[in-house]
Amino acid sequence: GAGVSQTPSNKVTEKGKYVELRCDPISGHTALYWYRQSLGQGPEFLIYFQGTGAADDSGLPNDRFFAVRPEGSVSTLKIQRTERGDSAVYLCASSKESSAGELFFGEGSRLTVL
Amino acid sequence: TQLLEQSPQFLSIQEGENLTVYCNSSSVFSSLQWYRQEPGEGPVLLVTVVTGGEVKKLKRLTFQFGDARKDSSLHITAAQPGDTGLYLCAGAYDGGSNYKLTFGKGTLLTVNP
Repeated sequence: GAGVSQTPSNKVTEKGKYVELRCDPISGHTALYWYRQSLGQGPEFLIYFQGTGAADDSGLPNDRFFAVRPEGSVSTLKIQRTERGDSAVYLCASSKESSAGELFFGEGSRLTVL
Repeated sequence: TQLLEQSPQFLSIQEGENLTVYCNSSSVFSSLQWYRQEPGEGPVLLVTVVTGGEVKKLKRLTFQFGDARKDSSLHITAAQPGDTGLYLCAGAYDGGSNYKLTFGKGTLLTVNP
């Protein structure tokens, strides 16, 4: 499709496990963002990529969270030693440029940590 | 911590009524966006405002940016059931990184037929 694609759409895991969430942005979009949306909250910024590099990872909550974008397209958000508090919808967005113009969001990956 | 407050948090109205939702901060925005999010979907951009006092219209939706660029409002005329959803405002703070958006908690609007 032409939109931002995120997989899996739903992930249930046990506390302490490792999780990977994938984002396939719109073709040609150089900027990619990860946000986290907890129940009853607005999205919260996690990390921003311009091309292959993480230009700003200041929103990552701790060192259990890491994201990569090795070829400047697909990105993977990795969470180690998951905790129940990590349960949320993880949203990926992409845009043509880095000026927070129109962000196109995917449908999100809902993570549930039991 | 810069906060972006939205009110009301919940709003349930009948089809045909008008409504206004608000977005406020103590900080100045370089730009502000309104998004609409439906269950199981990502937010979809409705409008971006950048100039203090700016008013933009999108069919039955009217968006206003405060003169001081600290607040914004969204007015919907003659609401329809299809307007139901979570309305989120998001701002890039003046002096901050223009790619990093701070979102409010949203206003959950239900329009009953």
